[in-house]
Amino acid sequence: DVKVTQSSRYLVKRTGEKVFLECVQDMDHENMFWYRQDPGLGLRLIYFSYDVKMKEKGDIPEGYSVSREKKERFSLILESASTNQTSMYLCASSTTSPKNIQYFGAGTRLSVL
Amino acid sequence: AQTVTQSQPEMSVQEAETVTLSCTYDTSESDYYLFWYKQPPSRQMILVIRQEAYKQQNATENRFSVNFQKAAKSFSLKISDSQLGDAAMYFCAYNTNAGKSTFGDGTTLTVKP
Repeated sequence: DVKVTQSSRYLVKRTGEKVFLECVQDMDHENMFWYRQDPGLGLRLIYFSYDVKMKEKGDIPEGYSVSREKKERFSLILESASTNQTSMYLCASSTTSPKNIQYFGAGTRLSVL
Repeated sequence: AQTVTQSQPEMSVQEAETVTLSCTYDTSESDYYLFWYKQPPSRQMILVIRQEAYKQQNATENRFSVNFQKAAKSFSLKISDSQLGDAAMYFCAYNTNAGKSTFGDGTTLTVKP
């Protein structure tokens, strides 16, 4: 079974802190994604990566950056956390084929105080 | 750009009854893939069903089936014999050729015993 593991289920940080959210997948997938999920807004794509060291901005990249140094790991970085970044963050991975599904991690609920 | 619209923020169904969740999308592509994902409370998002646009036959997976109307750009999910475990948020999604997904805002389904 495909496994996508997010390092934390719950995280509490203070405004201005640098925050790292880590995601690891074990299926050798080329694509990895970071989404933000807020009530009434569905899933919004922050960044995605289609290969090591390759990344593309999604719909809401402002205030975020990403890193993909190894194929299995995709990190989301909040350079200076703000209260409006309090949210649920979902990581996903997939192959490059458009017919293939995305496999999701359990999510990280981040609270920025 | 592709858009996906789920017009029903919330739906409810009596256990053992049938419910249909609506989804419409907008695209200029002729070949694409559509998905329904399920996110149970506090659990990982998983695939429910997938439809390939070039196939006229509607996809089915046990109690789950879709009504795919390509000309109308409609992709509804029918859940038959609803069970308590079907209670979740359901997301409709469209895959681009690069394997990137556009999600709807989600429909929260409540199943009443």
